[in-house]
Amino acid sequence: KAGVTQTPRYLIKTRGQQVTLSCSPISGHRSVSWYQQTPGQGLQFLFEYFSETQRNKGNFPGRFSGRQFSNSRSEMNVSTLELGDSALYLCASSLVEDGTQYFGPGTRLLVL
Amino acid sequence: AQSVSQHNHHVILSEAASLELGCNYSYGGTVNLFWYVQYPGQHLQLLLKYFSGDPLVKGIKGFEAEFIKSKFSFNLRKPSVQWSDTAEYFCAVNARDFNKFYFGSGTKLNVKP
Repeated sequence: KAGVTQTPRYLIKTRGQQVTLSCSPISGHRSVSWYQQTPGQGLQFLFEYFSETQRNKGNFPGRFSGRQFSNSRSEMNVSTLELGDSALYLCASSLVEDGTQYFGPGTRLLVL
Repeated sequence: AQSVSQHNHHVILSEAASLELGCNYSYGGTVNLFWYVQYPGQHLQLLLKYFSGDPLVKGIKGFEAEFIKSKFSFNLRKPSVQWSDTAEYFCAVNARDFNKFYFGSGTKLNVKP
């Protein structure tokens, strides 16, 4: 089976812009979670989607949003980018019954 | 609030040394436990997981972990490390009642050849 894929892999934006990141889960996985990884804060949970519904949410401002499509693919959007949003954004998919998270390679976002 | 603690932030070992990385969590309900590894420039990979049964679980590349329920711990071990084990290791807990994942802050392991 193909693994979790994320596009784009690298992104450079300027403050105030918005960005959309995409994630395709492993075939058959209906749960998709997003994480932000930074050297200082480690891995922080953003949100989880299942069956096109946000099921769990972390402690991030409303500028961070996401959605899931009927084919389980997911996107996350960050509006009004700030310098502190520079990070590696990771997507993980899982089977509902198992819960084990399988991670994609991430999208590295740099905000200038 | 639930949390996962990894006490060692940075560990330096010589090849063939034994490894033990600590992980403690604070949640009294049912949990699934995981260790992930992130090699330099690569994405997070699953090393091993514990759901139930034998509290000593074996993973890939000779790693194992022991779940001690009374201590809320899930320590990772390897009898003899190799230079290729240089990576960052993350402990994670899935609180099954909430289906939420909590990650530790990670431990960077540097194995000297």
